[in-house]
Amino acid sequence: RKEVEQDPGPFNVPEGATVAFNCTYSNSASQSFFWYRQDCRKEPKLLMSVYSSGNEDGRFTAQLNRASQYISLLIRDSKLSDSATYLCVVWGYQKVTFGTGTKLQVIP
Amino acid sequence: EAGVAQSPRYKIIEKRQSVAFWCNPISGHATLYWYQQILGQGPKLLIQFQNNGVVDDSQLPKDRFSAERLKGVDSTLKIQPAKLEDSAVYLCATRTGTFVSSYNEQFFGPGTRLTVL
Repeated sequence: RKEVEQDPGPFNVPEGATVAFNCTYSNSASQSFFWYRQDCRKEPKLLMSVYSSGNEDGRFTAQLNRASQYISLLIRDSKLSDSATYLCVVWGYQKVTFGTGTKLQVIP
Repeated sequence: EAGVAQSPRYKIIEKRQSVAFWCNPISGHATLYWYQQILGQGPKLLIQFQNNGVVDDSQLPKDRFSAERLKGVDSTLKIQPAKLEDSAVYLCATRTGTFVSSYNEQFFGPGTRLTVL
């Protein structure tokens, strides 16, 4: 089993739609979780941290489920500019692991 | 604040040749990472430095890859000799904090796109 797994997609959704991505991790001792966004041929950039109680930033909501060992990202009212690859990042003691990413394409 | 700088941005070499990449971190960032990102995959950690010491190089192919971070600032990653499967983007990332503290945001450089023919 991979340490961090994501559905590669692509997820093709119309503008205004709500879309959700999941990411599972294998190490129950993992400490911190993040979502990064990567545009085509660009470097990854932090989108948001994921807190145990769940957190929201505008149209984006991140959730953590430690019992089932997954994190999720929900995007509401999708915009064309949301088209990108979303990378799940898991941090354990001295070690950080990226998922393979989920590609989102928002269609006009 | 200046970001993470990397050079060159693009490099094309033939297999069995050598190549080196350079990274200049954000000032004051103690931790530095080199990642390899193959097309269609997520970044794979190659090596992590804490100041000028290696924290984790378990995924670095040491028969051909080497990295150093002299004086705890700039870092270089070298491949010698290169193979076709080394074609990828090599990303440098840095962050504040130490490996024993809570993780915080990594800032990535623009990457070096390597093509091995």
